Amino acid sequence: DQQVKQNSPSLSVQEGRISILNCDYTNSMFDYFLWYKKYPAEGPTFLISISSIKDKNEDGRFTVFLNKSAKHLSLHIVPSQPGDSAVYFCAAPRGNTDKLIFGTGTRLQVFP
Amino acid sequence: KAGVTQTPRYLIKTRGQQVTLSCSPISGHRSVSWYQQTPGQGLQFLFEYFSETQRNKGNFPGRFSGRQFSNSRSEMNVSTLELGDSALYLCASSLGADSNQPQHFGDGTRLSIL
Repeated sequence: DQQVKQNSPSLSVQEGRISILNCDYTNSMFDYFLWYKKYPAEGPTFLISISSIKDKNEDGRFTVFLNKSAKHLSLHIVPSQPGDSAVYFCAAPRGNTDKLIFGTGTRLQVFP
Repeated sequence: KAGVTQTPRYLIKTRGQQVTLSCSPISGHRSVSWYQQTPGQGLQFLFEYFSETQRNKGNFPGRFSGRQFSNSRSEMNVSTLELGDSALYLCASSLGADSNQPQHFGDGTRLSIL
C-alpha cells in the first residue's frame, strides 16, 4: 500500500518559472510532512517541512502547501534555477517514530 | 557541523558473503535510521535505532540486522548476500522520535553484489 504518492515521475520547467511538485497521501494520521531533494550519488537533502496544523510554510524560494481535506501537498519553487534539477521526494513519518514513508519521487529538470 | 558520515562509500561483494556498513550521525543526534534505495522500489525503511534500542523494523528478511552503540554510531549487517541486495544504503539521523525534526541523510554506501 503506497501511502505517499507522487504521480508525476518527471517535470520540466524553464529557468525563472515556477516549479510545482505534487504529493498525495492516504493516511489521515500523518501530521508532519517533509520534502527532500536528491542528486545522483548523494543522499537526500532536507528542504522544507510542514506540520498538519499549518497549511503553508515558506523558506526562501521554497513554499510547501498542505490541503488536509484533499490529503494533498505541493512544493513550489520560484524562481526555478538550473541547480534545482534533481529528484524530489515527499515523505511523512509513520506514527510517533522516525520511520519515513517516501513517495516515489519526481525528477525535476530546469532548463535555460 | 559535520553531517552524517557513512563508510565505505562503495563496496563490491559476491553472493553468499556478508557485509557491515557504518554510520556516524550528526553530533547530538540520538536516532539513526537506515533505508535501502533501489530503482524499482524507491526508498524503503530498514530499521530505526534510538538509544541503542531498535524501535522500528521494516519488511526486510532477518539477513538484515543492525545495532547502535552508546555514542549513537550505528552499523548494519547483511548476511548471505543476494544479487537483489545491490542498492544504495542510506543512513539518516535526527534528534529523536516524536520531535518532528527532520532526518538528515548521509551520502550512502553503494553496495554491488556480483
